[in-house]
Amino acid sequence: LAKTTQPISMDSYEGQEVNITCSHNNIATNDYITWYQQFPSQGPRFIIQGYKTKVTNEVASLFIPADRKSSTLSLPRVSLSDTAVYYCLVGEHARDKIIFGKGTRLHILP
Amino acid sequence: NAGVTQTPKFRVLKTGQSMTLLCAQDMNHEYMYWYRQDPGMGLRLIHYSVGEGTTAKGEVPDGYNVSRLKKQNFLLGLESAAPSQTSVYFCASSPGGGSNQPQHFGDGTRLSIL
Repeated sequence: LAKTTQPISMDSYEGQEVNITCSHNNIATNDYITWYQQFPSQGPRFIIQGYKTKVTNEVASLFIPADRKSSTLSLPRVSLSDTAVYYCLVGEHARDKIIFGKGTRLHILP
Repeated sequence: NAGVTQTPKFRVLKTGQSMTLLCAQDMNHEYMYWYRQDPGMGLRLIHYSVGEGTTAKGEVPDGYNVSRLKKQNFLLGLESAAPSQTSVYFCASSPGGGSNQPQHFGDGTRLSIL
């Protein structure tokens, strides 16, 4: 079971870039790294996914070093609406019975 | 596109009562999942299904039963509700089970057991 470790909480200010790092030391060769965002009273929402190096979409960037034992979610120029819980997941849903941990609670301040 | 729809959105039960939560997806996904989320906690997998007619236990299956008679529907049943089952329940689906297959979530069912 590929477990992940990420900070419990982070604070930042509007307009800043936020980087959230996730550790996954026993990631399997075929595993992708997936990040979700959850707002209060809503289900988690897929943000970004990657296998290696760098992936960028309209919402975020994902940086993955060569050893793939960690990954960093980067949110550019955050706003108050980015206040949410962010989850890092690794592994196959059925094989690993993927567990969403407590995630990282990101609080954006004005 | 509706995506994943959960019914009902809220429910209050008395201890010992039974009920069924319904999850429907219109994306033709093979895999479906039921999670529970308690205050300040992450999501814990209750049961999941890898295809029509199949179900499997997740991390916290006790006290719950599921059925997947149709590909688009995944039902979660509580036979005899207990206060410890007060939680927010989320349903999700994914095209397959691989780690490159993101899950799509519904907006949850808030269940209170008195």
